Amino acid sequence: QQPVQSPQAVILREGEDAVINCSSSKALYSVHWYRQKHGEAPVFLMILLKGGEQKGHDKISASFNEKKQQSSLYLTASQLSYSGTYFCGTEMGTGGFKTIFGAGTRLFVKA
Amino acid sequence: DAGVTQSPTHLIKTRGQQVTLRCSPKSGHDTVSWYQQALGQGPQFIFQYYEEEERQRGNFPDRFSGHQFPNYSSELNVNALLLGDSALYLCASSHRRTSNQPQHFGDGTRLSIL
Repeated sequence: QQPVQSPQAVILREGEDAVINCSSSKALYSVHWYRQKHGEAPVFLMILLKGGEQKGHDKISASFNEKKQQSSLYLTASQLSYSGTYFCGTEMGTGGFKTIFGAGTRLFVKA
Repeated sequence: DAGVTQSPTHLIKTRGQQVTLRCSPKSGHDTVSWYQQALGQGPQFIFQYYEEEERQRGNFPDRFSGHQFPNYSSELNVNALLLGDSALYLCASSHRRTSNQPQHFGDGTRLSIL
């Protein structure tokens, strides 16, 4: 049931773009995205509910394709502060709501 | 506005002992979820409490139990500790047990089993 994230890790130069993917073998009700910096708690980025919507947060946006059971996180013109591990969390929406997180994508932005 | 607070921050135990971890949710939140995060892995869902009852549970043995109090704070208890229980334990709170609510995480309790 754990969603699969790709890539596992990515190294960027400041200003470059990146895409992080999250896919599930099960039908999804929603997808959550969080970022965790080393030694800190995960921080909420955005939630996408089924409906194929795309949301944005500054230069970070995401899409959710419920038919393909996939979500993608887009980081545009990356900044040093974007470094961290990005987790997608999925919810099936059946029998209540619990968030199942992927293994994470480690992003490192260098100057 | 206080966020999610967890105590203690670090804990060292030996195999076979039991441990209790505590969590105070963010003001206005009534739902608490507990996660176990091993080094280099994503948070693994343990269980969720709402209205003082366990509403959802992940694939964790009965050695893991919890409680939620009337003030929405929560405890995670682990009995008969194993070496594999060494991890960061995260508490997350949200407003109501619905899917469109973001979770706010505490800084976690780092549990080491010797």
